[in-house]
Amino acid sequence: NAGVMQNPRHLVRRRGQEARLRCSPMKGHSHVYWYRQLPEEGLKFMVYLQKENIIDESGMPKERFSAEFPKEGPSILRIQQVVRGDSAAYFCASSPRRQGQSGANVLTFGAGSRLTVL
Amino acid sequence: KNQVEQSPQSLIILEGKNCTLQCNYTVSPFSNLRWYKQDTGRGPVSLTIMTFSENTKSNGRYTATLDADTKQSSLHITASQLSDSASYICVVSSMDSNYQLIWGAGTKLIIKP
Repeated sequence: NAGVMQNPRHLVRRRGQEARLRCSPMKGHSHVYWYRQLPEEGLKFMVYLQKENIIDESGMPKERFSAEFPKEGPSILRIQQVVRGDSAAYFCASSPRRQGQSGANVLTFGAGSRLTVL
Repeated sequence: KNQVEQSPQSLIILEGKNCTLQCNYTVSPFSNLRWYKQDTGRGPVSLTIMTFSENTKSNGRYTATLDADTKQSSLHITASQLSDSASYICVVSSMDSNYQLIWGAGTKLIIKP
């Protein structure tokens, strides 16, 4: 039973390019969360998705960032026209149901994707 | 405003010693509180999760306590090992925003031989 799989683990982009980060949740999990972590800082919530739906994108910048979780395939976090400030570790987590639904349920995190913008 | 504050910000102890990390929160209405361990360069891993009715929960050498009246939690690590060096993050879930978790900034723990 593979855990949450993220790829690529490391991605280098030049300013102005696009970055695509992928996340395959644990088997049986239909809820996906994306977090960003700057060096020496805590995790910051970006977006919460369920299959084919964005539930909460309140933590995601309005411009250049988008996320999707299609019916088939992994969830994708897309950053267009990257800038140096986008350099960070991006973590994906999944859960089997909505937080708070039928009691607490634990988020399982992937190993993260580290984006470096030159 | 829902907030989670952790102390100390960082802590250095000798291998074999015990330590206690603190978490204070102002999240309301409270749903549950979780402690995560994050090794450098890795994703967080869940240690414990406690609901309102639970005031202590153990996971090996890790014991978490919860006082819902004072809105405080602690994570006690017994007989520390070098592999305990990591950031420990307190996360609180509110019943209102039942899918959003409020994350603390973490305590960076360093175990020295």
